[in-house]
Amino acid sequence: NAGVTQTPKFQVLKTGQSMTLQCAQDMNHNSMYWYRQDPGMGLRLIYYSASEGTTDKGEVPNGYNVSRLNKREFSLRLESAAPSQTSVYFCASSEGGAAYEQYFGPGTRLTVT
Amino acid sequence: DAKTTQPPSMDCAEGRAANLPCNHSTISGNEYVYWYRQIHSQGPQYIIHGLKNNETNEMASLIITEDRKSSTLILPHATLRDTAVYYCIVRDDKIIFGKGTRLHILP
Repeated sequence: NAGVTQTPKFQVLKTGQSMTLQCAQDMNHNSMYWYRQDPGMGLRLIYYSASEGTTDKGEVPNGYNVSRLNKREFSLRLESAAPSQTSVYFCASSEGGAAYEQYFGPGTRLTVT
Repeated sequence: DAKTTQPPSMDCAEGRAANLPCNHSTISGNEYVYWYRQIHSQGPQYIIHGLKNNETNEMASLIITEDRKSSTLILPHATLRDTAVYYCIVRDDKIIFGKGTRLHILP
């Protein structure tokens, strides 16, 4: 099993450009999550999907949209990138609910100039 | 906001037990205590979790006080590869990360 995969690994955008970060998991997990991590900081939850067909806002949703395409895939879209969105983005998945651990992907390093 | 308080950094000698404390005085009855670690800029790695009882796995032990207001993660024989940021998290459904404890293993 590949676990949680993310593409791309690195990306540089100009202010105002748009892009979609892709995440896929092969563990048949119900829940998926998007986090961002700024330098020297802990992870902050952007959006999550408790199950296929549902999405909810996390701590820092402004400037982002998400799509739970199917049970395996959960994408994060930046419609108009800003320098403040320069960060490392992590996707995670879990069975769902507090009793189950989350598994994290390797991250996407995004720079907005 | 994170519901936990951890020291920002700790040192431990290689080969000794590393004991990482965490306070979670506002924990509610259905919330689990989770520990993750992050090595360099990799994705966080799950270590262990528990609800009321102490737990042990191949990586670590988790000691939760009887009132559940604090816990301790124990790495029994720390190695240089255990150098990382360790996050203690109180979780109902979502995970909210705090700033964690940066653990330095000293050779």
